[in-house]
Amino acid sequence: EDQVTQSPEALRLQEGESSSLNCSYTVSGLRGLFWYRQDPGKGPEFLFTLYSAGEEKEKERLKATLTKKESFLHITAPKPEDSATYLCAVQAGRDDKIIFGKGTRLHILP
Amino acid sequence: IAGITQAPTSQILAAGRRMTLRCTQDMRHNAMYWYRQDLGLGLRLIHYSNTAGTTGKGEVPDGYSVSRANTDDFPLTLASAVPSQTSVYFCASSDSIGREAFFGQGTRLTVV
Repeated sequence: EDQVTQSPEALRLQEGESSSLNCSYTVSGLRGLFWYRQDPGKGPEFLFTLYSAGEEKEKERLKATLTKKESFLHITAPKPEDSATYLCAVQAGRDDKIIFGKGTRLHILP
Repeated sequence: IAGITQAPTSQILAAGRRMTLRCTQDMRHNAMYWYRQDLGLGLRLIHYSNTAGTTGKGEVPDGYSVSRANTDDFPLTLASAVPSQTSVYFCASSDSIGREAFFGQGTRLTVV
């Protein structure tokens, strides 16, 4: 069964304390992996798409990486405004179905 | 402002009633999606449309129907609402299946 698992479920960091969020997947025929940010009461906002192992994308304090089994979202020197839920999604299979993980709730303390 | 508009923002609905959630996009995207988001279960795909005139079933389609008469609109209908359909519903669109999706602000639906 195709699965996407994100860890940890929740993470509290001090401002400036770097860390990584994990998204592991077991799917047949990965076509793409997406990262989104979701603020409370709002819809998810697109961050990155990764297509192949070894690929990396960066945006401000965020960097996403991809291997054959997992993706990491690295957050460098985070600020309180980086607090949000981060969602990972994969597109896989012949029917290009998209499966979302349950997300990691990130809280950055000032 | 370009994007996706959902209506209503929130709704309390009596069980057994029919309800249509509206979704309109002005980005001329080919693909559109409806998701529901529940605590502990994450986002789950209800229905999708690759292009105007076509629709497909997602992970949790039972009790819901959609139509795609044109590029911009993708309404979601609950024929006879049940309490288990209480959720936050998100409409999204993308240039094509497999590209990054843009989400609406959500509709919070409570079925009592």
